[in-house]
Amino acid sequence: GQNIDQPTEMTATEGAIVQINCTYQTSGFNGLFWYQQHAGEAPTFLSYNVLDGLEEKGRFSSFLSRSKGYSYLLLKELQMKDSASYLCAPMDSNYQLIWGAGTKLIIKP
Amino acid sequence: GAVVSQHPSRVICKSGTSVKIECRSLDFQATTMFWYRQFPKQSLMLMATSNEGSKATYEQGVEKDKFLINHASLTLSTLTVTSAHPEDSSFYICSARDLSGGAEETQYFGPGTRLLVL
Repeated sequence: GQNIDQPTEMTATEGAIVQINCTYQTSGFNGLFWYQQHAGEAPTFLSYNVLDGLEEKGRFSSFLSRSKGYSYLLLKELQMKDSASYLCAPMDSNYQLIWGAGTKLIIKP
Repeated sequence: GAVVSQHPSRVICKSGTSVKIECRSLDFQATTMFWYRQFPKQSLMLMATSNEGSKATYEQGVEKDKFLINHASLTLSTLTVTSAHPEDSSFYICSARDLSGGAEETQYFGPGTRLLVL
């Protein structure tokens, strides 16, 4: 079967760094996406990894290891507005995104 | 990034009525659009994949006669919830795939439509 495993909730301090891990199992693989979803809003695109390694985009970086079925999202210099759910979504062989429940990130001052 | 709009953003209707939700890609052409439903504190659930000029592909358990999808152009897809009931109350979100950029598989989401059926 296909599944996503992320922590349900994480807490971090403003200005700090947090790493959100994701392990996945899919039927085939065509890359992995990270989305941010604020409460009551639709997801917004953060990153896309299709090759192994680290992709850096401003304060956010995303890492992928295809052999381990593992990815992480790294958020630096945390701001209060980063409080949201972060969704790890691998894409299977049919180019369909597989969604988990995401990780709720709580930022404290 | 690519922009996707949805209309209406919020709708309240009586049980038994039909509701149409529009999804538009504003600055790109989308041959494929996706319709999701999300209940509170749950993950996104794909309802159907909408392809321009052809019939939509529905996920298992989604009634095609209840959730009518029309993808008439490269920038517009509509979802009609027919004979809505209170259990259809949910957050409906569309997404569109932008084929013009480097990450061709990226899905961009509309802002969502919150449906409340009384």
